[in-house]
Amino acid sequence: QKEVEQNSGPLSVPEGAIASLNCTYSDRGSQSFFWYRQYSGKSPELIMSIYSNGDKEDGRFTAQLNKASQYVSLLIRDSQPSDSATYLCAVNTGSARQLTFGSGTQLTVLP
Amino acid sequence: ETGVTQTPRHLVMGMTNKKSLKCEQHLGHNAMYWYKQSAKKPLELMFVYNFKEQTENNSVPSRFSPECPNSSHLFLHLHTLQPEDSALYLCASSQDRRIQETQYFGPGTRLLVL
Repeated sequence: QKEVEQNSGPLSVPEGAIASLNCTYSDRGSQSFFWYRQYSGKSPELIMSIYSNGDKEDGRFTAQLNKASQYVSLLIRDSQPSDSATYLCAVNTGSARQLTFGSGTQLTVLP
Repeated sequence: ETGVTQTPRHLVMGMTNKKSLKCEQHLGHNAMYWYKQSAKKPLELMFVYNFKEQTENNSVPSRFSPECPNSSHLFLHLHTLQPEDSALYLCASSQDRRIQETQYFGPGTRLLVL
């Protein structure tokens, strides 16, 4: 079982819709969760971090964490074509507390 | 310059060459990281330095040799690489190795080994 799993996509949504990106992780001791956005040919940039169960909102982005279900998600409201990118879920896992990345979900927002 | 910078941005090398990748962070951070990103695969952590001391080496082949002379600079020395080592090599930094610390990435070096 992979430590951090994401649907690879591609996920396509129309402009203005809500995009929902999901991530599950295997280490119950994980405490820190991050969403990064990576445009093609570019490096990852941090969008959100979340550490406690529940929702955390920042502009059009909402991160949701459910530690009991080992599940973290990212909602993008009013999706824009500029949101088209690969979204990487990252979790502090393992005894060494390394940042482990999922393989990413490719999102395309259609104008 | 601000943030995390990496040079060169692109590198083509033969299997017998020796080259080095450079990373510099201007954020006052104490931890620095090397990652490898291959096509269709997750980011793989290679090395971690905290306060100039190497704290992680994730079973990386010895043809990759890191060097961290101070908290702001990180190098990755390359020698006798294989074509499968072609990838995007990303440097990142964080305040330190505490569990909640966010990592900030440089633009990466795209490496092609012929």
